[in-house]
Amino acid sequence: GAVVSQHPSRVICKSGTSVKIECRSLDFQATTMFWYRQFPKQSLMLMATSNEGSKATYEQGVEKDKFLINHASLTLSTLTVTSAHPEDSSFYICSARIAAAEGEKLFFGSGTQLSVL
Amino acid sequence: DQQVKQNSPSLSVQEGRISILNCDYTNSMFDYFLWYKKYPAEGPTFLISISSIKDKNEDGRFTVFLNKSAKHLSLHIVPSQPGDSAVYFCAASEWSSNTGKLIFGQGTTLQVKP
Repeated sequence: GAVVSQHPSRVICKSGTSVKIECRSLDFQATTMFWYRQFPKQSLMLMATSNEGSKATYEQGVEKDKFLINHASLTLSTLTVTSAHPEDSSFYICSARIAAAEGEKLFFGSGTQLSVL
Repeated sequence: DQQVKQNSPSLSVQEGRISILNCDYTNSMFDYFLWYKKYPAEGPTFLISISSIKDKNEDGRFTVFLNKSAKHLSLHIVPSQPGDSAVYFCAASEWSSNTGKLIFGQGTTLQVKP
């Protein structure tokens, strides 16, 4: 299957700092990538849709000024958590969309565990 | 408003037996459904999918059944293996809307005992 690479896998930072997470599609071009967040023992919640060359579309309740998304190329999307606080501690996962004959598929990165002290 | 629900948070099955994971949805616009397997601190791995024009899709040990009238789908794993122990998420999308958004259920933790 398609490979989506996400880095870093784990980040521990102090409150108030900014953290950048990268998501790369390694063997295909992804015009659309998605960013999800998962709190412990909860579902994956869609945060935003990242479109190459245009502004991201954020889900209701997600602060666009806090979670900056940049999709500068067809293989790279970045999520920057600005001025991180302990409540931002979560597991962040990116995914890339591939349209297939029977329906589309999403391939996920390995995720980033963010811990804000 | 939870549009996709997995009401069983956990399931324990003996190795070799069948595992049945259930998922219900409320949005009648969903027309494409997927199952993902997830280990802790890792991204989900795609398992199997089904479109709303079908009621069954099979791939090896995995079979997904869709009951549109009941807005219910299930994943059958047979025979279950210890390596199948993980969290299983069902997800739904409006394929026809072309947005690519997936709505996930809360997940069911499957434990397969040797």
